[in-house]
Amino acid sequence: QKEVEQNSGPLSVPEGAIASLNCTYSDRGSQSFFWYRQYSGKSPELIMFIYSNGDKEDGRFTAQLNKASQYVSLLIRDSQPSDSATYLCAVGREDNMLTFGGGTRLMVKP
Amino acid sequence: DVKVTQSSRYLVKRTGEKVFLECVQDMDHENMFWYRQDPGLGLRLIYFSYDVKMKEKGDIPEGYSVSREKKERFSLILESASTNQTSMYLCAIQFSGTSTDTQYFGPGTRLTVL
Repeated sequence: QKEVEQNSGPLSVPEGAIASLNCTYSDRGSQSFFWYRQYSGKSPELIMFIYSNGDKEDGRFTAQLNKASQYVSLLIRDSQPSDSATYLCAVGREDNMLTFGGGTRLMVKP
Repeated sequence: DVKVTQSSRYLVKRTGEKVFLECVQDMDHENMFWYRQDPGLGLRLIYFSYDVKMKEKGDIPEGYSVSREKKERFSLILESASTNQTSMYLCAIQFSGTSTDTQYFGPGTRLTVL
């Protein structure tokens, strides 16, 4: 069973700080990685995807991928209370499906 | 913009009822998916479809069936609803571009079975 692991949290950070969300995966053959944000009672919304080792930046968000360590992370700079949500990590499989982690709940305190 | 709609946001049904959940997309995507999401269990794939009249079982198909008669519409059917099928149901479509298998989700249907 291919797995994607995330700390369920909650991760609490003060407003303006950097939030660091982490995800590990078991399938060494995985090639595509996604971060979704899910507000309470809403559906997941895609934030970023990354395929290559290294960093990918989009506004206040940076995705980091290390395939050797089977590790992907999401950094949120200048965290805002509106960033409070559950963040889901998803990993692409060879059959084009996605395997989702359980999500990390982020709380940004004013 | 990708648009995925689901027939209901909230639904309450009784045990034993037949339940239809509909998902409609407007982007001519082939790949459509049904997930359920439960606290502590995350997102679990029920069924998916690669094209009209095609369907494949996901990780937890028991108690469910699907129908895809038209490309834009993918229906999830609970033949005889049970209380353990109370959950958030999410439909997703997959955009297969040059280098992405990204999935986009509909708004979800929160189903309660009494």
